[in-house]
Amino acid sequence: DAGITQSPRHKVTETGTPVTLRCHQTENHRYMYWYRQDPGHGLRLIHYSYGVKDTDKGEVSDGYSVSRSKTEDFLLTLESATSSQTSVYFCAIRDFLGMNTEAFFGQGTRLTVV
Amino acid sequence: AQSVSQHNHHVILSEAASLELGCNYSYGGTVNLFWYVQYPGQHLQLLLKYFSGDPLVKGIKGFEAEFIKSKFSFNLRKPSVQWSDTAEYFCAVNDGRTYKYIFGTGTRLKVLA
Repeated sequence: DAGITQSPRHKVTETGTPVTLRCHQTENHRYMYWYRQDPGHGLRLIHYSYGVKDTDKGEVSDGYSVSRSKTEDFLLTLESATSSQTSVYFCAIRDFLGMNTEAFFGQGTRLTVV
Repeated sequence: AQSVSQHNHHVILSEAASLELGCNYSYGGTVNLFWYVQYPGQHLQLLLKYFSGDPLVKGIKGFEAEFIKSKFSFNLRKPSVQWSDTAEYFCAVNDGRTYKYIFGTGTRLKVLA
């Protein structure tokens, strides 16, 4: 398995509180991604990063922000959690080898907003 | 914008039955195509991938997929499923320009012993 660690693995939080999820990689890969997985929707891209301090929005970025201050860490922050953000969050990484490479996924973080 | 469609949301098969899961994508340029599998309670793992060359791609655990460019399809097949193939299967596309991976909504496969 790729060296990806997501923390925490499970979290329950209250509506309106800020939450930060962490993705840590030991592969020195350039690209990092945050997806959320919901029944009937598959995986949807929230934000991604193509280098330190370089990030861009995905298809469901509203209500989320990210930061990448060093290669190995990619943080996802919910500024004010809502029940609609209850989901399983997956981090993925990808090396910079041109076009022909796949993404590797972390174990996921199950977030419940009550 | 790219999109990926998986036609079957839930599939139930008996062991030894043949499997084919449909995947269609919308993008006119060069793409990379992937099938990922997610076993219950686990993360996504790569089953197989297509970048170029032979359109019939073989992956792990006896899975294969065929890329048909004219149909924008990348269907997953397995001649004889096992109970251990019970999982959710995701088709994904990457266009190489933005390095985003776009996923389909997934197909839940249940194999009855």
